[in-house]
Amino acid sequence: AQTVTQSQPEMSVQEAETVTLSCTYDTSESDYYLFWYKQPPSRQMILVIRQEAYKQQNATENRFSVNFQKAAKSFSLKISDSQLGDAAMYFCAYRSAGGANSKLTFGKGITLSVRP
Amino acid sequence: ETGVTQSPTHLIKTRGQQVTLRCSSQSGHNTVSWYQQALGQGPQFIFQYYREEENGRGNFPPRFSGLQFPNYSSELNVNALELDDSALYLCASSRWGVGNEKLFFGSGTQLSVL
Repeated sequence: AQTVTQSQPEMSVQEAETVTLSCTYDTSESDYYLFWYKQPPSRQMILVIRQEAYKQQNATENRFSVNFQKAAKSFSLKISDSQLGDAAMYFCAYRSAGGANSKLTFGKGITLSVRP
Repeated sequence: ETGVTQSPTHLIKTRGQQVTLRCSSQSGHNTVSWYQQALGQGPQFIFQYYREEENGRGNFPPRFSGLQFPNYSSELNVNALELDDSALYLCASSRWGVGNEKLFFGSGTQLSVL
């Protein structure tokens, strides 16, 4: 079974600065997808960024980028130029590439606060 | 706005009762999955439905059951409620057959069991 670990329960960043959220995972599969989701107080899970394991290039989406280290099973999220609206819970998640099962395995999440 | 809607937004039940939660999938999506998110935890996969049949299940007892309707709306039913069933229940829709297809989540139903 796959597991996802987010060991930092909380982090804080100054507005306009950069923050990195850590995530490690464990799997015996060679092909899979990794995600970062944002959950604001509205509770809706919002996809921030997605990484396909067979791609060596790290994914980027505007101010968000990842550092994907497949051998180390590490998948961190970097938020540049942090904004007040980035304050939320952030979840790292894993999904197998085989089949069409949409099962996501989530970490426990990290609460990010942004100081003005 | 992702188009996935859940009802009700909040619900209070007592132990032993039964509850039905509802989800309307995003247009064009034929697969729905349900997740339970306990306070301070990440969501846990309950099950997935495609073409009105369950085709994937997490580590949840049989008293958690579901339905998917021809219009791709879905229900989550929980019988014999226990205090530990208190959680946020999230519905997510997607399109079958595309492994990297995005999941779109609703805003959830907050269930409190007293």
